[in-house]
Amino acid sequence: QVVVTQEPSLTVSPGETVTLTCDSSAGDVTSDQYPYWFQQRPGQAPRTLIYDTTIRHSWTPARFSGSLLGGKAALTLSGAQPEDEADYYCFLVYSDAPWVFGGGTSLTVL
Amino acid sequence: EVQLVESGGDLIQPGGSLRLSCALSGVTVSGVHMTWVRQAPGKGLECVATLQTFSKTLYTDSVRGRFTISRDTSKNTLYLQMNSLRVEDTAVYYCMSSGGYWGRGTPVTVSS
Repeated sequence: QVVVTQEPSLTVSPGETVTLTCDSSAGDVTSDQYPYWFQQRPGQAPRTLIYDTTIRHSWTPARFSGSLLGGKAALTLSGAQPEDEADYYCFLVYSDAPWVFGGGTSLTVL
Repeated sequence: EVQLVESGGDLIQPGGSLRLSCALSGVTVSGVHMTWVRQAPGKGLECVATLQTFSKTLYTDSVRGRFTISRDTSKNTLYLQMNSLRVEDTAVYYCMSSGGYWGRGTPVTVSS
């Protein structure tokens, strides 16, 4: 099965910018994998921030953006807020293999 | 508004069976790709099974042959039939649609 790798943990200062990445053992991540990004706070269900690489949901703050960067999917948080402290997961879609989550990134805003 | 509501989670003994349901509103179950996702206590998210709009199914290795994903279009509901349950299947199970809509999850505990 495909293995998807994320940074285990990152720290960002309030108001600063941070980029989380999502790498695949199957090769470059492209729009064909329809990258998703999810946020999960403790004790809560995940919620989708980004899908299909760049599309925000109506509830997604504009400070979150998705992209492809150097063969990886990327989630950029511009102007971190204390409430952005959470776990973030990426998710990739494959046509003939089980779809797969990354291991998650624990983001600290400090 | 799209809503997904899971049900059917329970405490069950190893080797037992359970069927989870995910009732959809605001979207048709046959019009979106549907995925069952689980999260074991203190762990990350795992994609368990996927049912694509054209009826193709995909399973993670650890559940293939034991779990079956299906849908009932008349009830607009997704199912996950889980057989031969193991302790390591203990988790909160979520359903998710393409486009990224989630339910709130239903807990499954496999224990003697």
